[in-house]
Amino acid sequence: AQRVTQPEKLLSVFKGAPVELKCNYSYSGSPELFWYVQYSRQRLQLLLRHISRESIKGFTADLNKGETSFHLKKPFAQEEDSAMYYCALTKSNTGNQFYFGTGTSLTVIP
Amino acid sequence: DAGVTQSPTHLIKTRGQQVTLRCSPISGHKSVSWYQQVLGQGPQFIFQYYEKEERGRGNFPDRFSARQFPNYSSELNVNALLLGDSALYLCASSLWGEMNTEAFFGQGTRLTVV
Repeated sequence: AQRVTQPEKLLSVFKGAPVELKCNYSYSGSPELFWYVQYSRQRLQLLLRHISRESIKGFTADLNKGETSFHLKKPFAQEEDSAMYYCALTKSNTGNQFYFGTGTSLTVIP
Repeated sequence: DAGVTQSPTHLIKTRGQQVTLRCSPISGHKSVSWYQQVLGQGPQFIFQYYEKEERGRGNFPDRFSARQFPNYSSELNVNALLLGDSALYLCASSLWGEMNTEAFFGQGTRLTVV
């Protein structure tokens, strides 16, 4: 069965410091990995996905199949990055059947 | 376009009752999926519908059912409500049911079972 683990429920960093939100997964097939973000009083929205290999709002994430990880990183945190972050996976060709982690609440301290 | 819309936004039901939640996808989106988010947890997958057919089902009891209409809107029904069904129910829509195009989430329906 598939499983997504986000070990940190809460994470606080100072503005300008690097940030890393951890995500590990277990799935026997070839998953597709995503990061979703929820800003205060807003809807859950896509931040980035591994197949796009793009940087969004300065965030990047690399899929490490050996370590089954998909950590989210940003070199210099900004106050507007404060939000709830969810790592999610889908099995290949299953559309929006997401399996989410429990989420990490990021607070960037001014 | 208002995005994915869900109704109602909040409701309170009594144990044993039945509830119907509604979702209107973004225009042109043919796939809808439903999620349950209990406080402090990530969303849990319940159902996916594509072209009016069920394409996937999560680990939920048969008390949960759903359907998709010809206009691609969807309803989630929960029978014999339990206190543990209290949660935020999210709907997401995307263009297709198989390719991983971007999914857009609604604002959710907050269900409280008393």
